[in-house]
Amino acid sequence: QITLKESGPTLVKPTQTLTLTCTFSGFSLGTSGVGVGWIRQPPGKALEWLALIYWNDDKRYSPSLKSRLTITQDTSKNQVVLTMTNMDPADTATYYCAHRDDRSGYDVGFLDYWGQGTLVTVSS
Amino acid sequence: DIQMTQSPSSLSASVGDRVTITCRASQSITNYLHWYQQKPGKAPELLIYLASRLRSGVPSRFSGSGSGTDFTLTISSLQPEDFATYYCQQSDSSPGSFGQGTKVEIK
Repeated sequence: QITLKESGPTLVKPTQTLTLTCTFSGFSLGTSGVGVGWIRQPPGKALEWLALIYWNDDKRYSPSLKSRLTITQDTSKNQVVLTMTNMDPADTATYYCAHRDDRSGYDVGFLDYWGQGTLVTVSS
Repeated sequence: DIQMTQSPSSLSASVGDRVTITCRASQSITNYLHWYQQKPGKAPELLIYLASRLRSGVPSRFSGSGSGTDFTLTISSLQPEDFATYYCQQSDSSPGSFGQGTKVEIK
């Protein structure tokens, strides 16, 4: 079965760079139609898309955060890494990674499996 | 950016009630609209994809409809385990954007 798990620091200081790793099993990012996305949720607020990477290494970023985000994949380790620069207290949130199914059409898919999420707090 | 607006933001309902949540896109998204359920402290779970396709294993009391800019999620007979927050998400403009959520509470 498909599982994903996020890992990374729970506390970062303002202006620092956050690096989060999504380790997954049950699928390969080398398979056509597959992607892995990152989504975050500030406490008590709505979900927000961050970034997405496809099996062919095509990448998508939230327009409002694009300058701060980088998403990469390590197919051999079954991992996807998200980096976010210049962290601010407003970036305090639970960060989720999720499996994206685009087999019904490229770049129009949905998130069918999610990790448990990891809470990242930004504070000095 | 495509903005997704859900209504209502919250609602109170009783077990057995029929519940309808609407989601409106700021421009046409064809049928690239998906619905998720999130319970407190848990990750979201996919319920409906491509506007009306029920994910395998999801109870048939959940249904979705709509195309273009207007979409609905309907729960035909609300069950105790359905009290949660529901989000719509568009994938017409990648990577996509979510609505602000609709919290379904017990009356």
